Amino acid sequence: KQEVTQIPAALSVPEGENLVLNCSFTDSAIYNLQWFRQDPGKGLTSLLLIQSSQREQTSGRLNASLDKSSGRSTLYIAASQPGDSATYLCAVSNDYKLSFGAGTTVTVRA
Amino acid sequence: GAGVSQSPSNKVTEKGKDVELRCDPISGHTALYWYRQSLGQGLEFLIYFQGNSAPDKSGLPSDRFSAERTGGSVSTLTIQRTQQEDSAVYLCASSGQVGISGNTIYFGEGSWLTVV
Repeated sequence: KQEVTQIPAALSVPEGENLVLNCSFTDSAIYNLQWFRQDPGKGLTSLLLIQSSQREQTSGRLNASLDKSSGRSTLYIAASQPGDSATYLCAVSNDYKLSFGAGTTVTVRA
Repeated sequence: GAGVSQSPSNKVTEKGKDVELRCDPISGHTALYWYRQSLGQGLEFLIYFQGNSAPDKSGLPSDRFSAERTGGSVSTLTIQRTQQEDSAVYLCASSGQVGISGNTIYFGEGSWLTVV
């Protein structure tokens, strides 16, 4: 069974600082890995999708890396803003199911 | 539609009552998922539909839970004889063809169920 772990569980940084969020998974035979954002009381918004054959994906200030052999992914958010405050979830797909981590709750202080 | 649509957005029900939650996926998406997110917990897989194939119901927590998908589009999740532990956010998601590694999964805003 795929186990997904996200560290840290919570993170508080001053505005402008770079964010580093970590995700690890136990079964490296994945199809892809997705990073989602969840705002309080809202659903999930997909941020980045990394296919199993890729090593990283970038979108604006966001960059996600994938090291399948070691079962790790890292989401980098450059020059954080208060609007980046949310819970960030990592999910891996072994077939059609997604296995989710518990998330990292980020607070960016103005 | 432009995104995955779920209704109702909020539902408060009395213990023992039945509830129905509806999901309207993105047009053309063949795969549809239901997940549950309890307070302070991660997302729990409930059920998966893909086209006309038999659904994967392996995540349904008890026989009080059932789901159907009509015409390969709209899905309804039904919870019978609700219990307080059923209180959670029920999230629906859809995507394109299953097994294609590049497909993003899109989630709705969720149906927030409270059983009192």
